[in-house]
Amino acid sequence: AQSVTQLGSHVSVSEGALVLLRCNYSSSVPPYLFWYVQYPNQGLQLLLKYTSAATLVKGINGFEAEFKKSETSFHLTKPSAHMSDAAEYFCAVITNAGGTSYGKLTFGQGTILTVHP
Amino acid sequence: GAVVSQHPSRVICKSGTSVKIECRSLDFQATTMFWYRQFPKQSLMLMATSNEGSKATYEQGVEKDKFLINHASLTLSTLTVTSAHPEDSSFYICSDLPAGYYNEQFFGPGTRLTVL
Repeated sequence: AQSVTQLGSHVSVSEGALVLLRCNYSSSVPPYLFWYVQYPNQGLQLLLKYTSAATLVKGINGFEAEFKKSETSFHLTKPSAHMSDAAEYFCAVITNAGGTSYGKLTFGQGTILTVHP
Repeated sequence: GAVVSQHPSRVICKSGTSVKIECRSLDFQATTMFWYRQFPKQSLMLMATSNEGSKATYEQGVEKDKFLINHASLTLSTLTVTSAHPEDSSFYICSDLPAGYYNEQFFGPGTRLTVL
């Protein structure tokens, strides 16, 4: 079964510093991977997704992630953090739904990003 | 992308009452919608998959008689928490999977349920 592990439940950076949020996946088949952002008391917004095309994926708000098969990783980065980036971030993988035409999402534990002045 | 709404955004109820949460896909038809539950400081856990015109598929450990799901149209799925108890207090989020979007779900804004 596919799964994802996010290393670090909390990450704190200074405004303008590099953001690096870690995600490792476990999958016996080529995975579809996603990063979502959640602001307090809100739903999830898709930042970016990897669907076996380019290994470097660019998303919204200046975020990008690189799929590394050899490391089974899909880390999320942003060169320069903004205060508005403070939120919780979830890595997710599509799980085979067994005979259906769609996949189900399995989420990592989440990483809370704090940005301080 | 698709826009998904949820109603209500917040509900407080007494223990033993039933609460209905609506999830609407506003600009796409969605034969498949998903219901998630998120406890404080935790990740999202899939509760069930809602299929238009057929019975929902529940994840292991989720009581189908307690969490009733109805997906009577291509744009509306409802989750009813029956005989709610304080331990059902949580953030409930739905998502839809529009036709042609095999692998991208669009999430609603969530419903905060507090059972007193």
